[in-house]
Amino acid sequence: DAGVTQSPTHLIKTRGQQVTLRCSPKSGHDTVSWYQQALGQGPQFIFQYYEEEERQRGNFPDRFSGHQFPNYSSELNVNALLLGDSALYLCASSLNLLAGNTGELFFGEGSRLTVL
Amino acid sequence: GIQVEQSPPDLILQEGANSTLRCNFSDSVNNLQWFHQNPWGQLINLFYIPSGTKQNGRLSATTVATERYSLLYISSSQTTDSGVYFCAVGTFGNEKLTFGTGTRLTIIP
Repeated sequence: DAGVTQSPTHLIKTRGQQVTLRCSPKSGHDTVSWYQQALGQGPQFIFQYYEEEERQRGNFPDRFSGHQFPNYSSELNVNALLLGDSALYLCASSLNLLAGNTGELFFGEGSRLTVL
Repeated sequence: GIQVEQSPPDLILQEGANSTLRCNFSDSVNNLQWFHQNPWGQLINLFYIPSGTKQNGRLSATTVATERYSLLYISSSQTTDSGVYFCAVGTFGNEKLTFGTGTRLTIIP
């Protein structure tokens, strides 16, 4: 049973560039959430996707956008990168809470982004 | 939004010792999970425990939802237990998890 997979694992960008991170959810899961974890802090919620739509969003600017595909995989896009966007980006998958599931999250290994 | 506080922030123990990590939260929750973040950054699920008590080997957890706290117990610590432990909570009608600031556990051989 494949867990949550993310790519790439590491990447380096310069200020102003754009980045796309990818996530494949755990087998059988239909909901994908993205979190940002700055050094020394706990993860912060960016947004969640279900049925190819953004269902909930945290306190992040519009430079952060996402997409979910029919196979439930997801992308996180960040435009006009700032130094402060340097962080570990974590993808989590779960089963739809509205269907009576627990909402228990399972995380991938993350994509570590460095902005120079 | 909900506030999540973890204590202690840092804990250094000898191998074989027992430890208790605490998580306090400021509102009613319908989701509470404990994670161990390994040195490579991956969050490993330890427990899904919005209420009650669970045990898994040397680890156990208890959540007292009415008093808004959860405890994670680690017995007979091993060096592989080192890392950061996070408590994360979700509230009714809100599927995101709010994480605490974590407890950094260091087990010395």
